Amino acid sequence: EAQVTQNPRYLITVTGKKLTVTCSQNMNHEYMSWYRQDPGLGLRQIYYSMNVEVTDKGDVPEGYKVSRKEKRNFPLILESPSPNQTSLYFCASSFYSPWVGDNSPLHFGNGTRLTVT
Amino acid sequence: GENVEQHPSTLSVQEGDSAVIKCTYSDSASNYFPWYKQELGKRPQLIIDIRSNVGEKKDQRIAVTLNKTAKHFSLHITETQPEDSAVYFCAASRGADGLTFGKGTHLIIQP
Repeated sequence: EAQVTQNPRYLITVTGKKLTVTCSQNMNHEYMSWYRQDPGLGLRQIYYSMNVEVTDKGDVPEGYKVSRKEKRNFPLILESPSPNQTSLYFCASSFYSPWVGDNSPLHFGNGTRLTVT
Repeated sequence: GENVEQHPSTLSVQEGDSAVIKCTYSDSASNYFPWYKQELGKRPQLIIDIRSNVGEKKDQRIAVTLNKTAKHFSLHITETQPEDSAVYFCAASRGADGLTFGKGTHLIIQP
């Protein structure tokens, strides 16, 4: 089954304790992205990647890191989490054709609800 | 960067009536405009999309219109049903840097 898999689904942690949220897709998509969703603010892009070893900042990158060592995986790293990073996080992927600058529809994972105390 | 404004933030309609959600975008280079539906506790899922070379697209009870000159696009849902209750997000993209989303519209279908 074609899917984007995020883990864990729920995570409660304390301020300053490094954590990683994993994301994996089995559709051979070039493009992967992380979003955070907060009430009243919609979905805001944190980082995105157009292919292996290519990552770029989105609208709200502060406090986050990502890596794209393999095409299928795009982990989100919080080196020193703070309470303002409490949020619902979504990983997403799609095909991307750089020659025409054209994305296919985004496929979202099931989300990770993170609470930082 | 791109900025997407979405209105209204909440929309309540009677079952069977039509619902319209409107979005505007700022970057004239944007060429792809999807709409996502998110039910409570679930991930956003694509319901319809349109590209800038098309003015209107329909899929059963759902339609999207695009006005490139005015930089706005709209979602139309006809004959609304209880299962249409959800949060709807519009988005815009130039392709190279992914999607910029609106803040969402909470659609409530009154029985």
